[in-house]
Amino acid sequence: QQKVQQSPESLIVPEGGMASLNCTFSDRNSQYFWWYRQHSGEGPKALMSIFSNGDKKEGRFTAHLNKASLYVSLHIKDSQPSDSALYFCAVSSTNTGKLTFGDGTVLTVKP
Amino acid sequence: EAAVTQSPRNKVTVTGGNVTLSCRQTNSHNYMYWYRQDTGHGLRLIHYSYGAGNLQIGDVPDGYKATRTTQEDFFLLLELASPSQTSLYFCASSGTGTNTGQLYFGEGSKLTVL
Repeated sequence: QQKVQQSPESLIVPEGGMASLNCTFSDRNSQYFWWYRQHSGEGPKALMSIFSNGDKKEGRFTAHLNKASLYVSLHIKDSQPSDSALYFCAVSSTNTGKLTFGDGTVLTVKP
Repeated sequence: EAAVTQSPRNKVTVTGGNVTLSCRQTNSHNYMYWYRQDTGHGLRLIHYSYGAGNLQIGDVPDGYKATRTTQEDFFLLLELASPSQTSLYFCASSGTGTNTGQLYFGEGSKLTVL
């Protein structure tokens, strides 16, 4: 059974700073990797995906994937108070349709 | 954007009670999911389905039944509710083709079992 673990549990960064979130997974057949963000009182929303080894940049957000090391990360540059939320790493195995989430990292951006 | 609607948004019941949580998606997605969210446990998959009449068991299925009556509608049933099922429940949908894992979530249903 796929295990997805995230660190740290919580993170505080100053406005304008860099936030780095980490995620490890256990199934080497995993194919699709996502970061989801959940603001208080809302459902989670897909933030970005990464499917190939290396880096993928979307605006202030950069995802990194290393399948051999079973590792994926998310870096948020120039963090804003509106980035304060619960961030989930999610991993999907090939063709199962099943998405497994980590326990999440609570990010707080202090003005 | 994909629309997923859950009802009720809040529900209080007693131990042993019956509860049905409803979910409707209007985007012709093939996959639908029920997750529960608890502090310290993230989102855990209860049941999911890839089409009307289909049901797949998730990671924490005990005490839950689910039924997918149409492509749009997916129900979660708790026939003998217990306090351990007090949680925030999310429905999600995805996949018009290859399911790459982009889920669209509803706003959640908060269930309290006394």
